[in-house]
Amino acid sequence: QSVLTQPPSVSAAPGQKVTISCSGSNSNIGNHYVSWYQQLPGTAPKFLIYENNKRPSGIPDRFSGSKSGTSATLGITGLQTGDEADYYCGTWDSSLSVVVFGGGTKLTVL
Amino acid sequence: EVQLVQSGAEVKKPGESLKISCYGSGYSFGTYWIGWVRQMPGKGLEWMGIIHPGDSDTRYSPSFQGQVIFSADKSITTAYLQWSSLKASDTAMYYCARLLGYCTSTSCPLDFDSWGQGTLVTVSS
Repeated sequence: QSVLTQPPSVSAAPGQKVTISCSGSNSNIGNHYVSWYQQLPGTAPKFLIYENNKRPSGIPDRFSGSKSGTSATLGITGLQTGDEADYYCGTWDSSLSVVVFGGGTKLTVL
Repeated sequence: EVQLVQSGAEVKKPGESLKISCYGSGYSFGTYWIGWVRQMPGKGLEWMGIIHPGDSDTRYSPSFQGQVIFSADKSITTAYLQWSSLKASDTAMYYCARLLGYCTSTSCPLDFDSWGQGTLVTVSS
């Protein structure tokens, strides 16, 4: 059972928009920045979003992040088949003194 | 170009020791924290902890404290993850990653901007 809760799966058609939620508490999301990672099948995770809504260099603006209270959301617009991957949120948890990840969300582009 | 290159896959027996490596290039290795992340077969990501190669400041996740040891040799820009006595439950993919930012005395961000390709560790009798 992960400290951060993500839906196990989401799906949408090519070209459409999808959002992935990440729910936590005041000890983690509520008081710390959230990051997001994309993991394509058989590859290492890729840095997607940091400090809730910032994109590293090279990440297209189709990817966006937001945070409100103890929840965060990853948005992906203009879905492509190449976006099919597992997506993870994560942040520091001050009660556990550890970085915590969500359980991951599998995105299927139908 | 920043690169982290990890050592190859390992197959070990329970009780054996192991040390895997993560070689960094393309940046000032001693300046950035290096973290370790475990991914068990078919499962999600777990933060094991982090080390600063410049001064060997180390933070362990409570789940991994006492189970593994992080080390680094900045002269050869390499970080290490080691076990003294492997268990079958250590079977997993292990990733090293460079931290964008820094740990304070009370927290670490989760901003890993570059990742190694992973080292698959299989522990089986």
